[in-house]
This record gives sequence, structure tokens and C-alpha cells, in this order.
Amino acid sequence: GNSVTQMEGPVTLSEEAFLTINCTYTATGYPSLFWYVQYPGEGLQLLLKATKADDKGSNKGFEATYRKETTSFHLEKGSVQVSDSAVYFCALSERGNKLTFGTGTQLKVEL
Amino acid sequence: GAVVSQHPSRVICKSGTSVKIECRSLDFQATTMFWYRQFPKQSLMLMATSNEGSKATYEQGVEKDKFLINHASLTLSTLTVTSAHPEDSSFYICSAPRDTNTGELFFGEGSRLTVL
Repeated sequence: GNSVTQMEGPVTLSEEAFLTINCTYTATGYPSLFWYVQYPGEGLQLLLKATKADDKGSNKGFEATYRKETTSFHLEKGSVQVSDSAVYFCALSERGNKLTFGTGTQLKVEL
Repeated sequence: GAVVSQHPSRVICKSGTSVKIECRSLDFQATTMFWYRQFPKQSLMLMATSNEGSKATYEQGVEKDKFLINHASLTLSTLTVTSAHPEDSSFYICSAPRDTNTGELFFGEGSRLTVL
């Protein structure tokens, strides 16, 4: 079956630091890949997505590239802000809209 | 603004009672909605797929009689936790696809259930 593995948190960074949250996946076909973000007290929101190999999703300074050869979709941001503090979920969708989520990574950004 | 809305956002109930959680798509019709349960260590577990006009499809290990799902209309799905027990306390989240081609889901704000 499908699965998503992402690095355990929490990840604590200082403001303006570089962020990487690793995500790898297992799928039988060619999934679409997503990063969702959950800010404190809010529901999940789509952060970015990529639907085929070598696609790069980007939004709000975050980027992730769909790497088929390494089955990865690592999330990166060059300079994090305190407002980026949230839980980040990597997910894949192979058929229809059924998402398989990773366990989530909590990010804490401090001044 | 929100495109999927859940109600209530928080509910506290006594053990043995039933609780209903509503999920509405606000500006689009959804023939399919998904119900997730979020555990304390953050993992999201898909519980079931709610299908308008037919029975819900439950994931393995999810009790159908415990978690009743009804997709009453193209904009409303309900999850009823029957005879709730403290171990049912959790954060329940619904989602609906607005774009069936991309797999993108829109999520409700979640409902925190506490069973005393």
C-alpha cells in the first residue's frame, strides 16, 4: 500500500534560518504529492503540490520538488519567520482524492 | 475564506451518549467527503469516505456501527459517534475535493470531541 514518511519533530529554528523537512513516499503508481500546513487552532490548508516527476511546487517562499528517482518531496524554505510556526504534513494521492498523510512535523520558529 | 465548514468545533459529552458532527461544503457540491481522525501525536487517519446517495466506505479497523456517516446532500455529511467512550476523544476532521482532477482537498476546521 501507499505510505508517507516524514521526519519527526519538533523542529526548532531561529528566525531567518534555512528549513528542510524531509518527506519520502511509497506508492505503486504515479501519485500527486502535497504539503499541507496546520496553523495553531486552524484546519489543514494546502501549502503546495506537484503532480508529476520533476515538478516543483512553491508557495509563500516554500518549495518542494517531486523526485521520482529518490521518491522524495522535501519541503524547503530559505528564511523562516515566526509566523511559519505550524505543523506540516506531507501527503500523496494516487487514486481520486484519497490522501495518505505522513505523521506531521511540528515547526517552531523563535526570534 | 473557508470552503469547508465543520460544526461544532468543540463538544464535550458524557460517556454513553451520541454526538453528531456536521461537515458542509460552502460554495461547491461534493459527492464525496472524507473523515479523518487526528491523534495526539499528530498523525491523520482516514476513517471513511462519505458518498452522497450511497453507503460510506470505511477503512479497515474502523467500526461502522460506532462511527455512523450519512451524506445527506451534495453539501452536507455528518459523522455520529455513537455510545461514545473516553477513548473516542479526539480531533475529527472532514475534507472535500473541489477539484476532482488534482486530488486537492479542502479541510474543515476540525471538531474536538472530549468524552467524560
